[in-house]
Amino acid sequence: GAGVSQSPRYKVAKRGQDVALRCDPISGHVSLFWYQQALGQGPEFLTYFQNEAQLDKSGLPSDRFFAERPEGSVSTLKIQRTQQEDSAVYLCASSFGGFFNEQFFGPGTRLTVL
Amino acid sequence: KQEVTQIPAALSVPEGENLVLNCSFTDSAIYNLQWFRQDPGKGLTSLLLIQSSQREQTSGRLNASLDKSSGRSTLYIAASQPGDSATYLCAVQETSGSRLTFGEGTQLTVNP
Repeated sequence: GAGVSQSPRYKVAKRGQDVALRCDPISGHVSLFWYQQALGQGPEFLTYFQNEAQLDKSGLPSDRFFAERPEGSVSTLKIQRTQQEDSAVYLCASSFGGFFNEQFFGPGTRLTVL
Repeated sequence: KQEVTQIPAALSVPEGENLVLNCSFTDSAIYNLQWFRQDPGKGLTSLLLIQSSQREQTSGRLNASLDKSSGRSTLYIAASQPGDSATYLCAVQETSGSRLTFGEGTQLTVNP
């Protein structure tokens, strides 16, 4: 595709609900990253995939957060039992090769937990 | 743990002024450093990427320098325009891993 796309762009959830955020990387990009950006802050790393393998999930803040990329293309970030502190913009990025390549970012999903 | 700091947090300048944004990082074992632009409600647009072996990169009115040994980078914007108004983020990628570590950004306003 022309760029990284994410859906939905906006999501409002009641506390305790589960949410799923989708990322479509640039076609052919091997690496995929998820970042969390709180209001007024810089993005913070959550997790990294190379093809379908999740090679680094050290940034996931709790076991309520789960990410998958089963066919090495589209990725889903799932948050279970959402809390107010989960409110943030979730950014997805992809890169052509391994992680030492330039990362291209999507527009993000703004999650608001009430 | 790598920490990235950006100064100033906010900057307001009149149109036409040249300006410098600063970024510092604590661990010099980096693979590259990137400068991004973020418009309100939008994702990140990559402006310049400097490999650790490079000293600077230029694109149009933008010039970014890197001094890895001192843990500093600057983004120079020449002849600023109102359309340059945005938040500018710097991020480093360490040799040890995949993640980008970001600063908190500089919010730039260029007044017509």
